[in-house]
Amino acid sequence: GESVGLHLPTLSVQEGDNSIINCAYSNSASDYFIWYKQESGKGPQFIIDIRSNMDKRQGQRVTVLLNKTVKHLSLQIAATQPGDSAVYFCAEGRMGRRALTFGSGTRLQVQP
Amino acid sequence: KAGVTQTPRYLIKTRGQQVTLSCSPISGHRSVSWYQQTPGQGLQFLFEYFSETQRNKGNFPGRFSGRQFSNSRSEMNVSTLELGDSALYLCASSFTTGVGEQYFGPGTRLTVT
Repeated sequence: GESVGLHLPTLSVQEGDNSIINCAYSNSASDYFIWYKQESGKGPQFIIDIRSNMDKRQGQRVTVLLNKTVKHLSLQIAATQPGDSAVYFCAEGRMGRRALTFGSGTRLQVQP
Repeated sequence: KAGVTQTPRYLIKTRGQQVTLSCSPISGHRSVSWYQQTPGQGLQFLFEYFSETQRNKGNFPGRFSGRQFSNSRSEMNVSTLELGDSALYLCASSFTTGVGEQYFGPGTRLTVT
């Protein structure tokens, strides 16, 4: 499959543990943030989004935290499973505009 | 519901040639965005089309262009190909412009030799 990055930071976790993937964003004017998951050979898959008027949002097994003061975003995955192994990207943007700016990605490896 | 489809999946071109890539969005989706993905630069936004109009444009040279048809299908064209244009080109569709979930296709892998 396609390689999304040769030198991505890698997070290795044990199956069943919780994972936390961090992202620093650059534009203080950004008011919309998204996490994507990309598996080998596939396009990015939407996981969860959050708007700047929130600091936390929960989905199924995932939680996104937003700290606008330090321009930091994190994705927490509960009870990580082997199927969660992928590259994870954060993206930032402005409401009303489709032009997203993506982070460089983090590779998550789940050890059985 | 069928997902986003992109054709061709793989393409090899020679420097100086031009190329056209195609994207068929999910049925009912009217917004199509294009992204370039490379190991060095990551995912970069190219442009977005909504109702046959370009709504947003990224920071790419004029050799990169696109269009959208009345059935929401979109094409992007790269003229005078350079080695650095080798990348995975991803198309994403959504129901509206602005915000909301985008659905990505599998991409077209372009290799320029």
